[in-house]
Amino acid sequence: AQKITQTQPGMFVQEKEAVTLDCTYDTSDPSYGLFWYKQPSSGEMIFLIYQGSYDQQNATEGRYSLNFQKARKSANLVISASQLGDSAMYFCAMREYEDDGNQFYFGTGTSLTVIP
Amino acid sequence: DARVTQTPRDKVTEMGQEVTMRCQPILGHNTVFWYRQTMMQGLELLAYFRNRAPLDDSGMPKDRFSAEMPDATLATLKIQPSEPRDSAVYFCASGPGGDTDTQYFGPGTRLTVL
Repeated sequence: AQKITQTQPGMFVQEKEAVTLDCTYDTSDPSYGLFWYKQPSSGEMIFLIYQGSYDQQNATEGRYSLNFQKARKSANLVISASQLGDSAMYFCAMREYEDDGNQFYFGTGTSLTVIP
Repeated sequence: DARVTQTPRDKVTEMGQEVTMRCQPILGHNTVFWYRQTMMQGLELLAYFRNRAPLDDSGMPKDRFSAEMPDATLATLKIQPSEPRDSAVYFCASGPGGDTDTQYFGPGTRLTVL
């Protein structure tokens, strides 16, 4: 089974609108971390936001928030007030801390295009 | 603004040649990661160091790949001999460790093996 699943290969959003990028994960470890990264066309990977499995509140970083639903094993990224510069690939990732704490898993990514 | 640096940014080589990629982690970070990104496989973790000690290199083809940290400011990934299927973008990332272990990526090395 895939550890990280991103079911939306491509998404479009109107500038200034909000958009949700989906991510589901699969783990049996009680302790894990979830990450979102942005990869613009220039190629670098930019860290956006982190959510720990024991965190009670959803993580937020500026216009980014993580909609963490533990029972459903989903960690969707919400970008509010989209900007043209948000057009990029977005990757969801997970680290498992117990048993095999050195494993990191990345999803296949979602390509987001912001339309003026 | 501290960043992970990688050299070279682009490398074109012929099959059978040795390739060495270098990474300078962010000062003070004690974890270093090497990833490979291809269209077909996405991002794959190749190796992971903490305090310069290799913790996991299970994702790395052992017969031709090797990763080392000669000191805290330098990580290397070597391929010998290189093959066309090694063509990919190789990312180095470093992190401060701790519970979150957030990784900060370098710009990548685009490797093309002819």
